[in-house]
Amino acid sequence: GDSVTQMEGPVTLSEEAFLTINCTYTATGYPSLFWYVQYPGEGLQLLLKATKADDKGSNKGFEATYRKETTSFHLEKGSVQVSDSAVYFCALSETPGGSYIPTFGRGTSLIVHP
Amino acid sequence: EPEVTQTPSHQVTQMGQEVILRCVPISNHLYFYWYRQILGQKVEFLVSFYNNEISEKSEIFDDQFSVERPDGSNFTLKIRSTKLEDSAMYFCATRTSGSYNEQFFGPGTRLTVL
Repeated sequence: GDSVTQMEGPVTLSEEAFLTINCTYTATGYPSLFWYVQYPGEGLQLLLKATKADDKGSNKGFEATYRKETTSFHLEKGSVQVSDSAVYFCALSETPGGSYIPTFGRGTSLIVHP
Repeated sequence: EPEVTQTPSHQVTQMGQEVILRCVPISNHLYFYWYRQILGQKVEFLVSFYNNEISEKSEIFDDQFSVERPDGSNFTLKIRSTKLEDSAMYFCATRTSGSYNEQFFGPGTRLTVL
C-alpha cells in the first residue's frame, strides 16, 4: 500500500539557516504530494502541494519538487525564521480515481532558535 | 478566515467510558473526516462522512466507533467503550465538494484514557 517516510526530528536550526526535511514515498499509482504544517495549538494546514512529476510547490518561502525518479518530495527553505517552528507532515493522495484521503508521514518537528 | 473548531481540546476519561468528540465544520463544507495520531506515530485516517452517511472507513474504525451529524452543524465521533490504546490526538477535517485535495483541519482533541 501507499506509505510516506520522512526524516525524524526534531530538527533544530538557528534563524536564517537553510532547511531541508526529507520525504520519500511509495505509491501504486500517480499520487499528488503535499506538505502540511501544524503550528503549536493549531490544526494541520496545507503548506504546499504538487500534482505531477517535476512540479514545484511553493508557499511562504518553502518549496518542494515532485521527483518521480527518486520518489521524493523534500521540503526546503532558504532562511528559516523562529515563526517557522512547527511540525511538518509530508503526505500523498492517489489521484485521479483515488479516495483523496491523504496518507501521512509521522511528522518532523522543526525548532528554530533566535 | 473560517476555520474548523473542535471541542474539547483535551479529554481525560477512564477505560470503558464513552466519549464524544465534537467538530464544527466550515459552514459550506459537505465532506467530513476524522483522523487520529497516537503520540509519535503517523496521522491515520479513521472515517469519511458525506450526505449523512459513512463513505469510507479504515480498519481502525471498528464497532466501538460511530459518527453522526446530529443537528446539521456539529460532526461528532463517539467511542463507546474506550481502551487505553485509544489515547491519541483526534483531528477533524472538512472540505467543499469542489476541492478534492484540500481538507481543512481542526486543532485536534487530545484524548487520554486512564
